[in-house]
Amino acid sequence: AQSVTQLGSHVSVSEGALVLLRCNYSSSVPPYLFWYVQYPNQGLQLLLKYTSAATLVKGINGFEAEFKKSETSFHLTKPSAHMSDAAEYFCAVTLPNTGGFKTIFGAGTRLFVKA
Amino acid sequence: DVKVTQSSRYLVKRTGEKVFLECVQDMDHENMFWYRQDPGLGLRLIYFSYDVKMKEKGDIPEGYSVSREKKERFSLILESASTNQTSMYLCASSLGRSYNSPLHFGNGTRLTVT
Repeated sequence: AQSVTQLGSHVSVSEGALVLLRCNYSSSVPPYLFWYVQYPNQGLQLLLKYTSAATLVKGINGFEAEFKKSETSFHLTKPSAHMSDAAEYFCAVTLPNTGGFKTIFGAGTRLFVKA
Repeated sequence: DVKVTQSSRYLVKRTGEKVFLECVQDMDHENMFWYRQDPGLGLRLIYFSYDVKMKEKGDIPEGYSVSREKKERFSLILESASTNQTSMYLCASSLGRSYNSPLHFGNGTRLTVT
């Protein structure tokens, strides 16, 4: 079965420290991968997406992710955390499905940023 | 700007009631989705639609149905609400038949069934 696994339901970093949120996928077809962010009491918004044009993808707010086919990973990083980065982050993959396609999500990782 | 609007932010319903959750998008998107979000489980797909009057079951369709009579509107229906349907419900839309079209989300409806 196709799936997305996010390692660590909670990650805590100090302000200014490196942020690393892990995502691994299993897919028998070329994956279309995304990272979304959810701030409190809001819906999800797109951070970045992998389009196969480049393995290193840059997104909004200084985040980037690297697609590694050999490791089936798409980890999200940011060199220096800011208090405003505190949120929940979701990795997602879009898969073909009868009649169209569907996007499935990982369980999410909540990022805490300490002053 | 792209907008997905869910009609209610909070809803409280009684067990056995029929519940309608409404979602409208103003982006002329072909695809619309309903997810439920529960702590530790991420988002799970209930139903989606890739065209008017078309619908496809997601991963957890039991206890739910949907309606898409117009392109911009996608309704989720709980035929007989139960306490295990207490959750955050998120509607989303996306453009066309492209695998890398991102989803655009509403702000969610937090449903409590008592």
